[in-house]
Amino acid sequence: SQKIEQNSEALNIQEGKTATLTCNYTNYSPAYLQWYRQDPGRGPVFLLLIRENEKEKRKERLKVTFDTTLKQSLFHITASQPADSATYLCALRKYGGATNKLIFGTGTLLAVQP
Amino acid sequence: DAGVIQSPRHEVTEMGQEVTLRCKPISGHDYLFWYRQTMMRGLELLIYFNNNVPIDDSGMPEDRFSAKMPNASFSTLKIQPSEPRDSAVYFCASSSRQGGLNTEAFFGQGTRLTVV
Repeated sequence: SQKIEQNSEALNIQEGKTATLTCNYTNYSPAYLQWYRQDPGRGPVFLLLIRENEKEKRKERLKVTFDTTLKQSLFHITASQPADSATYLCALRKYGGATNKLIFGTGTLLAVQP
Repeated sequence: DAGVIQSPRHEVTEMGQEVTLRCKPISGHDYLFWYRQTMMRGLELLIYFNNNVPIDDSGMPEDRFSAKMPNASFSTLKIQPSEPRDSAVYFCASSSRQGGLNTEAFFGQGTRLTVV
């Protein structure tokens, strides 16, 4: 069956360091992958999208990589800040036709310590 | 646009009662998704619509769950009868296709359902 897995353990890092979160998927051939941020009591908010023909995407302090051979995406936050503390979710989407499922991973809780 | 609007924000109901959750998507979006989020199972896709038509309801857990989208600006998720294991946060999200590509999903604030 199709599965999307993220680090199940919470990730604790010191302010200023780079946080790296992992998203692995199986039995799936997504056209692109998205990353979302979710704060407690709120819905997920979109951060970045990367297409299958892109190796890397950047937005300010965020960087996403997408390796379709390894079936893995890495999400990096450089110069992390306590305000970056949240749950981060990856999501995969098939492309084309009537099928347009957006499936989410389990999420990784990031805690940035001051 | 005010974003995706869900109501109610919180719902507490007794087992066996009917529960109706409501969603107003962003104007102009042609896809609408219903998700359920729990600590154990994460964010699960229940059903999604395209242009008001249900496309995939394979995530709907049981016949007790039903969803409708009578028009482009309104959708409901109904649970009848409700059970304690239905307790979760239910999210509605909408998105659109631009230039043939699927864009990001915009989520509502969610409805926290507690069935006692």
